[in-house]
Amino acid sequence: NAGVTQTPKFQVLKTGQSMTLQCAQDMNHNSMYWYRQDPGMGLRLIYYSASEGTTDKGEVPNGYNVSRLNKREFSLRLESAAPSQTSVYFCASRPREGQGDSPLHFGNGTRLTVT
Amino acid sequence: AQSVTQLDSHVSVSEGTPVLLRCNYSSSYSPSLFWYVQHPNKGLQLLLKYTSAATLVKGINGFEAEFKKSETSFHLTKPSAHMSDAAEYFCVVSDTEDTGRRALTFGSGTRLQVQP
Repeated sequence: NAGVTQTPKFQVLKTGQSMTLQCAQDMNHNSMYWYRQDPGMGLRLIYYSASEGTTDKGEVPNGYNVSRLNKREFSLRLESAAPSQTSVYFCASRPREGQGDSPLHFGNGTRLTVT
Repeated sequence: AQSVTQLDSHVSVSEGTPVLLRCNYSSSYSPSLFWYVQHPNKGLQLLLKYTSAATLVKGINGFEAEFKKSETSFHLTKPSAHMSDAAEYFCVVSDTEDTGRRALTFGSGTRLQVQP
């Protein structure tokens, strides 16, 4: 039972380079999320997708784009990486957006360094 | 608007002694509250959740938390720490925003060290 799978696990980019972080879930969840984790700041929501075909901005969307490719997959793209985007990125899913009682299921994270 | 404050960024205990990780929250409506644990190089895993049923919530691995509305607190406790409890712990509140959306807000985390 894989749950939420993120690739790659680690990445180093130079300023201005682009990359896409991949996320897939096999739990038939409708809602998927991208968070970034920075020391002392908890997790902050970048973008989310309440259901296939929809995406919405979270707390810190600037510099990112997302694609909900299908029900299973939700990718995060950095078009022109900046050092401020050095962080650990987590993908998460849950059965349905708006169900406040429903916990998130997390992937193991992508550790990104931008030099 | 909702917020979460984890009162200690680091807590150190000896193996076999009690654990207390403190969390205070503010919310406008009826919150749900969660504790998640994150082991090194892993994602977050749900420990327990409060959803307006019993105020004392039991979770996995012997952890429990008590919802105290009058104190706006949701502290996490465990009677006896184990070495495997060393990790980072996040308190999370889910509440209704002005837009009507149920949104999650994460605390900044508490790193628990367990000394042998």
